[in-house]
Amino acid sequence: EAEVAQSPRYKITEKSQAVAFWCDPISGHATLYWYRQILGQGPELLVQFQDESVVDDSQLPKDRFSAERLKGVDSTLKIQPAELGDSAMYLCASSLGTSGGARYNEQFFGPGTRLTVL
Amino acid sequence: DQQVKQNSPSLSVQEGRISILNCDYTNSMFDYFLWYKKYPAEGPTFLISISSIKDKNEDGRFTVFLNKSAKHLSLHIVPSQPGDSAVYFCAASVDQAGTALIFGKGTTLSVSS
Repeated sequence: EAEVAQSPRYKITEKSQAVAFWCDPISGHATLYWYRQILGQGPELLVQFQDESVVDDSQLPKDRFSAERLKGVDSTLKIQPAELGDSAMYLCASSLGTSGGARYNEQFFGPGTRLTVL
Repeated sequence: DQQVKQNSPSLSVQEGRISILNCDYTNSMFDYFLWYKKYPAEGPTFLISISSIKDKNEDGRFTVFLNKSAKHLSLHIVPSQPGDSAVYFCAASVDQAGTALIFGKGTTLSVSS
């Protein structure tokens, strides 16, 4: 069964360092989402792509976070510099698209990258 | 202010009994509601959904009920099994067109044998 791939699974870094996370969505999925889940909370959207275009990045802290999906396939989320409060699980999800009804837009999540900032 | 609330952080149920997980929301624009299940070290997996035009959706052991006037939905699992032990997230969206989901904080379900 097709899955969303993420790497690394775990990342430990010191504050002020740069970190990057990678996501490979399910083949053919046009929509890609990055969510952040802080311990004890639900996932919160950071950025949403439709193909290579950003659809929603209103909750992305743009002073330190950046995201790209250059060829409309895989995506990279970067944090520079990392802060202690960035420690969280970073989840990537994908869906077929943004039309066609609910099942067409079911979001499939990857296993996540757990970031610890020391 | 949280738009999707799961006020019970945890729930313990015996195997074979019914599990009822509750969720409240504040945004009347929400049109589509979902439940996701999450095991440790894995991403959330889709469980069941319901459109705002319905009040019930059933899929095997899982049934979701929606009460729009009360802005409340619930997930019923009957019968509960030990493998159902996980964190359950309620999520909502303003449409079914791929808009990002708004999640609650989750409820940890423990099913004992």
